[in-house]
Amino acid sequence: EVQLVESGGGLVQPGRSLRLSCAASGFTFDDYAMHWVRQAPGKGLEWVSGISWNSGSTGYADSVKGRFTISRDNAKNSLYLQMNSLRAEDTALYYCAKSSHSSSSLGAFDIWGQGTMVTVSS
Amino acid sequence: DIQMTQSPSSLSASVGDRVTITCRASQSISSYLNWYQQKPGKAPKLLIYAASSLQSGVPSRFSGSGSGTDFTLTISSLQPEDFATYYCQQSYSTFFTFGPGTKVDIK
Repeated sequence: EVQLVESGGGLVQPGRSLRLSCAASGFTFDDYAMHWVRQAPGKGLEWVSGISWNSGSTGYADSVKGRFTISRDNAKNSLYLQMNSLRAEDTALYYCAKSSHSSSSLGAFDIWGQGTMVTVSS
Repeated sequence: DIQMTQSPSSLSASVGDRVTITCRASQSISSYLNWYQQKPGKAPKLLIYAASSLQSGVPSRFSGSGSGTDFTLTISSLQPEDFATYYCQQSYSTFFTFGPGTKVDIK
């Protein structure tokens, strides 16, 4: 079964850091780009970051550029999101999503995890 | 950055109705347009990619059309399980912008 399982969310104070993980199974992980998408409570979807199959290319939304870092470990079939200098507006459910393409700038998001909640509050 | 808009923001419809949702891009995105369905408490699900290609396993009552800046998602005969929020997404630029969503609920 094709599956993505996120972990690492929680309650964190403003200015602190958090690292999200996404474990992939059921498909050839290193054939595809991967992405993080977030959804604030009661709001729409916001693309956060993407990474190509071989980590050669990454992209970030302006709202997180310079604070978040995406990475992957193909040997472990895992995707990560290092989030630094967290703000209240980063509070959201963070989804891991598989691209239908190997490039981080193409494709659709054909498999999604169930998400991990990040709450930034003092 | 490419901005995406959707109309309407919400609609009420009955089972069996034909439903059309419109998505507009702030600049031409060719056919780099995807549609997703999201039910409450669930992750989004890919319905349509490249403007008009039906994702595997998605019922044929869903269809997509358009190119350039104007796109539509059509549900030919609304079923009870189709009540959800629908999002368009551009994949022309790296930023993968989503539209604000269209909520379809029961009349």
